[in-house]
Amino acid sequence: KQEVTQIPAALSVPEGENLVLNCSFTDSAIYNLQWFRQDPGKGLTSLLLIQSSQREQTSGRLNASLDKSSGRSTLYIAASQPGDSATYLCAVANSGYSTLTFGKGTMLLVSP
Amino acid sequence: KAGVTQTPRYLIKTRGQQVTLSCSPISGHRSVSWYQQTPGQGLQFLFEYFSETQRNKGNFPGRFSGRQFSNSRSEMNVSTLELGDSALYLCASSIQGVELFFGEGSRLTVL
Repeated sequence: KQEVTQIPAALSVPEGENLVLNCSFTDSAIYNLQWFRQDPGKGLTSLLLIQSSQREQTSGRLNASLDKSSGRSTLYIAASQPGDSATYLCAVANSGYSTLTFGKGTMLLVSP
Repeated sequence: KAGVTQTPRYLIKTRGQQVTLSCSPISGHRSVSWYQQTPGQGLQFLFEYFSETQRNKGNFPGRFSGRQFSNSRSEMNVSTLELGDSALYLCASSIQGVELFFGEGSRLTVL
C-alpha cells in the first residue's frame, strides 16, 4: 500500500526566502507525482505534474524534482511571497486511473 | 475554459439522511474521480468513473456510491449519513486519468 509523507507539516518564513518542501513515498513504482496547492476552505489547484520518466518540472518560481529510486520529491519555491501562503499537497499515482494517494500536506505561511 | 463545478457548495444534513452531490467536469474530460477530505484522515480516494463506468473504488462502505452520465457529469450519493461523514468532498476531472483538476468542493456537515 502506497504511503506518502510530507515534511515539514508546517513552515513559517519571511518574504523573499527560498524554500524546499519534501515529499516521500514508499512504493517507487509510480505512474506520476503531482503537487497541489490548497487555500483554506477551497479546492486543490494543480501546480506541477511529473511523469515517472521525468526528473523535474518547472513553472515560474516553482521547481519540482523526482527521484523514484529513493522515493522522494521536492518542491522548491524561489523568492517566496505572502501570496504563496497555503497548504501544499503531494500526491502519487500508481496507475493512470486517477487514484491518487495524498500526503497530509505542508502548511506554509510567508510573512511580509 | 470553465473549471470543474461542484454543487452544492455547502450543505447541512442530519444523521440518517442521504445526500447527493453533483460534479460537472471540464469540457472534454471523460474521467471524474471523487475524494473525501477530513482533518484527521486527509484526502482519501472514493471512486473514479470513465465513460460512465466505475474503473476504481476506494476503501469506503457501500453507503457511498456514485455514477456518471453520458455527458460526463457525475453524482455521488451517501446514504444513512453518520457524523463521521462530515467532510469536504472534492471532485476532480481529467482527460484520461493522468493530470487531475479539482473543483472547489462540497462541504457536508452532518448533525
